[in-house]
Amino acid sequence: DTGVSQNPRHKITKRGQNVTFRCDPISEHNRLYWYRQTLGQGPEFLTYFQNEAQLEKSRLLSDRFSAERPKGSFSTLEIQRTEQGDSAMYLCASSLAGQGPEALNSPLHFGNGTRLTVT
Amino acid sequence: GDSVTQMEGPVTLSEEAFLTINCTYTATGYPSLFWYVQYPGEGLQLLLKATKADDKGSNKGFEATYRKETTSFHLEKGSVQVSDSAVYFCALTYYGQNFVFGPGTRLSVLP
Repeated sequence: DTGVSQNPRHKITKRGQNVTFRCDPISEHNRLYWYRQTLGQGPEFLTYFQNEAQLEKSRLLSDRFSAERPKGSFSTLEIQRTEQGDSAMYLCASSLAGQGPEALNSPLHFGNGTRLTVT
Repeated sequence: GDSVTQMEGPVTLSEEAFLTINCTYTATGYPSLFWYVQYPGEGLQLLLKATKADDKGSNKGFEATYRKETTSFHLEKGSVQVSDSAVYFCALTYYGQNFVFGPGTRLSVLP
């Protein structure tokens, strides 16, 4: 179990530029989540995948945000035309959701996040 | 929608003091409840969980009991250590879908 890996750790970009983040989940996990966290706040849900299917998207996820999980393994989160309000920590998490009651409530395993600063 | 409320921090305690961090939730059904901890410079880690009413989750000396009648999941520890200094997040989910997190409570333990 190598844990959830996120790259890059830090990204500084100018307003209007596009950025892409990558997340590699724990290998046997079928669910992958993206969250955003700002200073002093808890993580805010953005979207999640079960295998390659994107099952839910938050209203926070404007049309400038897009996430993919091709082949049900790693995932990318792209932000187009970044704005200063996009500055935050972007967190990825994964879990194993099986069929039994315990598996349905499997906890999230988080990566260390990608810190985005938009100048 | 569903939400989680936590006591405001920061909470500052002396080593070996008793800890309580309050968490209450608003939910339409019966979610599973979690406490996550974030140590300085690290990612969020699961601390404990409870999946149904009256369940008690426990780990590393921390405990929390799922109270349906008061919609609460308060975190307690009998004797805190300096190494417990971290931010603690209460969270809920239905079947591992959208996890809803509280705002976090920062705990500082002084030697």
